[in-house]
Amino acid sequence: DAGVTQSPTHLIKTRGQHVTLRCSPISGHKSVSWYQQVLGQGPQFIFQYYEKEERGRGNFPDRFSARQFPNYSSELNVNALLLGDSALYLCASSLAVGFEAFFGQGTRLTVV
Amino acid sequence: AQSVTQLDSQVPVFEEAPVELRCNYSSSVSVYLFWYVQYPNQGLQLLLKYLSGSTLVKGINGFEAEFNKSQTSFHLRKPSVHISDTAEYFCAVSDQSRYGGSQGNLIFGKGTKLSVKP
Repeated sequence: DAGVTQSPTHLIKTRGQHVTLRCSPISGHKSVSWYQQVLGQGPQFIFQYYEKEERGRGNFPDRFSARQFPNYSSELNVNALLLGDSALYLCASSLAVGFEAFFGQGTRLTVV
Repeated sequence: AQSVTQLDSQVPVFEEAPVELRCNYSSSVSVYLFWYVQYPNQGLQLLLKYLSGSTLVKGINGFEAEFNKSQTSFHLRKPSVHISDTAEYFCAVSDQSRYGGSQGNLIFGKGTKLSVKP
């Protein structure tokens, strides 16, 4: 069975650019969450979506946005990239809100 | 707001020795506790979780943790470590989800790097 898949695995962007990260949940899972993990820190919660609706938002600026599609996959968008946005972005899926989260391998974003 | 403190950023240990990774959390009425492991260039894998019931929780790969409400701790232990246990370990806490279920959004500690030496 396929786990949570994220794409791309790595990317490099320039300050001020925009980036889109993608996540496909485990088959049958309807909830997706996004976390940012800066080097040397634990992951920080960004968003949670369930049935295409936002169910939670962490303390991140409005430059960060996300959406969930009818097939339950999700995109995380970051506008006006800053050097400080360089991090590993983790996607987690769960059957529904409140159930165990399964993490993907992440997308390593480097902003130069 | 909930918070998690992992008291050791790095723990070096020799192979086959016991290890304890310490975790303290801020108090809450209802709290759910987790330990995750992250191998280099990988995502997070759940080792074990405490939701309710017995305070001694057994997980995968021979790890266990004990929930101590009075000390607000959830320390992770393994009686004999292997080289393959070298990884970063994260303690996490969540409140009960507003939408029901046992796992709301996870709040992670800063991690403990376990280094097992031969």
